[in-house]
Amino acid sequence: RKEVEQDPGPFNVPEGATVAFNCTYSNSASQSFFWYRQDCRKEPKLLMSVYSSGNEDGRFTAQLNRASQYISLLIRDSKLSDSATYLCAVNKWDFGNEKLTFGTGTRLTIIP
Amino acid sequence: DTGVSQDPRHKITKRGQNVTFRCDPISEHNRLYWYRQTLGQGPEFLTYFQNEAQLEKSRLLSDRFSAERPKGSFSTLEIQRTEQGDSAMYLCASSPGAAKNIQYFGAGTRLSVL
Repeated sequence: RKEVEQDPGPFNVPEGATVAFNCTYSNSASQSFFWYRQDCRKEPKLLMSVYSSGNEDGRFTAQLNRASQYISLLIRDSKLSDSATYLCAVNKWDFGNEKLTFGTGTRLTIIP
Repeated sequence: DTGVSQDPRHKITKRGQNVTFRCDPISEHNRLYWYRQTLGQGPEFLTYFQNEAQLEKSRLLSDRFSAERPKGSFSTLEIQRTEQGDSAMYLCASSPGAAKNIQYFGAGTRLSVL
């Protein structure tokens, strides 16, 4: 089983719709969780950190469910500019063990 | 631009040649990471430095790969005797090492081995 799993998609969603992605992780000791956005042939850019209480940034909401070991990302009122690959990443914050483990990414295309 | 800088952006080489990539982290970030990303996959961890000390290496990092960060600032990643399977995007990231360890990525070096 992969440490971090995502549905690769693609998700093709009409503009203005709401879309949600889930990401599961296998290491129960994971402590930090992130969503990164990656445009085609570009570097990953941090979209949001994910906190236990859930957090929101404009149209984006991230949730963490430790009991079921998954994180989610909700995009409301989707825009054409939201088309990208969304990568989830987890980290076990521990000295000498600080790598991020990424999922394969979920590809999202917003359709006009 | 005060972000993570990588050079070169693209490298085309013939199989068997050696290549070296450079990464300049965000100023004052003491943690520096190298990742490799192939098409359709997420970035995979290669190695990590805290200041000049290399603290962790992935099993992906064969003996043909070596990374250095001699003065705790910029880092180099060298691949010796390149193979076609080394073709990938090599990403560098840096982090201030604070809680939650947010990592910021450079634009990457895209390597094509012919």
